[in-house]
Amino acid sequence: EPEVTQTPSHQVTQMGQEVILRCVPISNHLYFYWYRQILGQKVEFLVSFYNNEISEKSEIFDDQFSVERPDGSNFTLKIRSTKLEDSAMYFCASSESRGGNQPQHFGDGTRLSIL
Amino acid sequence: KNEVEQSPQNLTAQEGEFITINCSYSVGISALHWLQQHPGGGIVSLFMLSSGKKKHGRLIATINIQEKHSSLHITASHPRDSAVYICAVRKGAQKLVFGQGTRLTINP
Repeated sequence: EPEVTQTPSHQVTQMGQEVILRCVPISNHLYFYWYRQILGQKVEFLVSFYNNEISEKSEIFDDQFSVERPDGSNFTLKIRSTKLEDSAMYFCASSESRGGNQPQHFGDGTRLSIL
Repeated sequence: KNEVEQSPQNLTAQEGEFITINCSYSVGISALHWLQQHPGGGIVSLFMLSSGKKKHGRLIATINIQEKHSSLHITASHPRDSAVYICAVRKGAQKLVFGQGTRLTINP
């Protein structure tokens, strides 16, 4: 069964550094998402992306964050000038279409640790 | 107030028991998801439903749109069912809003 893959599985970065989290969505999917889960807390929506542009974002997704689909397969989340509170598990998801009866498929996540 | 509330937060049961996890939501939704989060952190989608009932193996999910309530049932529970089960609702076309999860432990 096709999977969403995320790399790396664990990223350790110094505070203030930039980090790029990578995702390869399922190949025929058109909608892409990033979520994060701070340790011990619930999963939170960050951003959704369709047709090479952001379609919705949360208040968490400020100017520090950006997303990109640099080629036909990768979907990236960039965090500029990381802060300690950016430490979390970041999940990428994709779906075949918006709304309707299409589920979102999740990757295994990238654990980001900011030192 | 959380838009999605799950109960119980923690549940421990013996192998073979029938398990019920509940989810209530306070907003209009287009669909409701049940997800399973493994100890390593990965998330697997179990069900997506907008009405009625769905069954997959030993798992059954129901939703009552009028009462804004959904349940996830596990029949003949097994230690490998131990995980965090998360209810998430879709507001509008895309955004998912998550509950805090129910940590299920099935003892042999």
